[in-house]
Amino acid sequence: GAGVSQSPSNKVTEKGKDVELRCDPISGHTALYWYRQSLGQGLEFLIYFQGNSAPDKSGLPSDRFSAERTGGSVSTLTIQRTQQEDSAVYLCASSLVGQGEETQYFGPGTRLLVL
Amino acid sequence: QQQVKQSPQSLIVQKGGISIINCAYENTAFDYFPWYQQFPGKGPALLIAIRPDVSEKKEGRFTISFNKSAKQFSLHIMDSQPGDSATYFCAAWEGAQKLVFGQGTRLTINP
Repeated sequence: GAGVSQSPSNKVTEKGKDVELRCDPISGHTALYWYRQSLGQGLEFLIYFQGNSAPDKSGLPSDRFSAERTGGSVSTLTIQRTQQEDSAVYLCASSLVGQGEETQYFGPGTRLLVL
Repeated sequence: QQQVKQSPQSLIVQKGGISIINCAYENTAFDYFPWYQQFPGKGPALLIAIRPDVSEKKEGRFTISFNKSAKQFSLHIMDSQPGDSATYFCAAWEGAQKLVFGQGTRLTINP
């Protein structure tokens, strides 16, 4: 089937605006991850969803960031009152059950530019 | 605090040469170490992975060497090809729920 998809592929917004980024995981994958990739940096973990369990939000950088996953499938990452330092590529990944040695399959990312 | 340190940040290798990327970690609880390859405009994709009870793993031209006592591991790309030009990330699995990534190495293979 199809891989992980993300939309939009690119987003330009003005400082202070809210943005929503969408992730469609691979069908049947119960684990979903969001990462942030800043220029010249590695991937920074943001949040993890596994089935119906409470999400691990330990990587969210501030309370302006939130995410939800509806029906155990599609996820939306919301950034409120965007700042220029939020400019980055936001990557979503999914895996079958979220265990250590599972492969995480990444989407192509959403490139966010905050002016 | 960077839990997985990766070097170099960028690397240029001639076609046919050996590319070597190094990573080091501090957290002894890490128990799984994958490498991801990322092409421009794409998400990272799993390349090869190793557990700490194995000192070396080879898949085709790609080899991971693991030194548990030194808490270091490295990726070797033999007979490097222009198509290998990409950004490479080492990572470590932390606990049950998340990967911790290195900063990435931009590899360029000159023809």
